[in-house]
Amino acid sequence: AQSVTQLGSHVSVSEGALVLLRCNYSSSVPPYLFWYVQYPNQGLQLLLKYTTGATLVKGINGFEAEFKKSETSFHLTKPSAHMSDAAEYFCASSSNTGKLIFGQGTTLQVKP
Amino acid sequence: GAVVSQHPSWVICKSGTSVKIECRSLDFQATTMFWYRQFPKQSLMLMATSNEGSKATYEQGVEKDKFLINHASLTLSTLTVTSAHPEDSSFYICSADPLAGHSYEQYFGPGTRLTVT
Repeated sequence: AQSVTQLGSHVSVSEGALVLLRCNYSSSVPPYLFWYVQYPNQGLQLLLKYTTGATLVKGINGFEAEFKKSETSFHLTKPSAHMSDAAEYFCASSSNTGKLIFGQGTTLQVKP
Repeated sequence: GAVVSQHPSWVICKSGTSVKIECRSLDFQATTMFWYRQFPKQSLMLMATSNEGSKATYEQGVEKDKFLINHASLTLSTLTVTSAHPEDSSFYICSADPLAGHSYEQYFGPGTRLTVT
């Protein structure tokens, strides 16, 4: 069965520091992978997605993620954190049924 | 583009009453919409897949008679929580797939906060 695991339910970084949010997936078929961000009491906004092609994917707000099949990972990074990046981040994978399987979520805290 | 709205954004109801939540795709047609439930500090849990013109497909453990889903048009799906109880209090989020499962991408609504007293 497909699953998504986010390592670390809470990540804290200083403003200007590197952001690294970890995501590992398990899938018997090549997955489609997504990162979403959720601000309090709001829906989810797509940051980036990997379907096929280039394994390094660039998204909005300076985020990027790299699909590593050998490591079954799709970690999210941003070189320099901003205060406005503080939010909940979800990694998700999609099967050919169109359903999304979400990870548990990671709360990103950005300290001034 | 690809905007999804939900109404209401929040609702308080009394135990035993029913509540209807609307999910609309504003600038695209969606033959497939999804309903999720999210508890505080938790991830999203898929409740059901809503298909225009046919019955919804519910995930295991979700009571279809309690959570009624109607996808009456290509831009509107509704979730009705029947005989609501305090444990139904949650954040309900819908999403829509513009290409009926072929884009592998879903656009999410802003969510509806339901509180049952």
